[in-house]
Amino acid sequence: AQKITQTQPGMFVQEKEAVTLDCTYDTSDPSYGLFWYKQPSSGEMIFLIYQGSYDQQNATEGRYSLNFQKARKSANLVISASQLGDSAMYFCAMREGRGSGYSTLTFGKGTMLLVSP
Amino acid sequence: DSGVTQTPKHLITATGQRVTLRCSPRSGDLSVYWYQQSLDQGLQFLIQYYNGEERAKGNILERFSAQQFPDLHSELNLSSLELGDSALYFCASSEAGRETQYFGPGTRLLVL
Repeated sequence: AQKITQTQPGMFVQEKEAVTLDCTYDTSDPSYGLFWYKQPSSGEMIFLIYQGSYDQQNATEGRYSLNFQKARKSANLVISASQLGDSAMYFCAMREGRGSGYSTLTFGKGTMLLVSP
Repeated sequence: DSGVTQTPKHLITATGQRVTLRCSPRSGDLSVYWYQQSLDQGLQFLIQYYNGEERAKGNILERFSAQQFPDLHSELNLSSLELGDSALYFCASSEAGRETQYFGPGTRLLVL
């Protein structure tokens, strides 16, 4: 079974609108971390946001927020006020167990986001 | 700019050859991770080093090896290269006690 599932291969959004990218995860470990990364066409992987399994509040970083629903095992990324520069591939990733120092990540297949003017 | 550097940026080589990819982590980061991104396999974790010691191993082939040196830079050695090894190889680093991994720009390897 896949540990990270991103069901949307592609998403379209108009500039200035909000968009939600879906991510569900599968783990039996009580301690885990969830991450979102952005990969523009240039290829680099850019860290966006992190949510720990014990964090009580949803993580936010500027225009990015993570809608963490633990019981549903979902960690959706919300981008508010989309910009043309947001067009990229977005990856959800999970770190399981053992905590920092053993932070290997498992990635989903990604969602391609296209922002139109 | 994440602060993680990788060289070379691009590498073209032939089947059967051996190459070395180099990574310098962010200043002060003790952990280095290697990932492979290919069209068919997606992003896969290969191996992690922490302060010179191997910490975790993922889907790394026996033909691949890595090490982390006393100055904390790391090298990934790929030998007996096959066409299927063509991929984007990322190095990432993280600070001791922190979760977030910061990725380098990657080395794009093409095996002909």
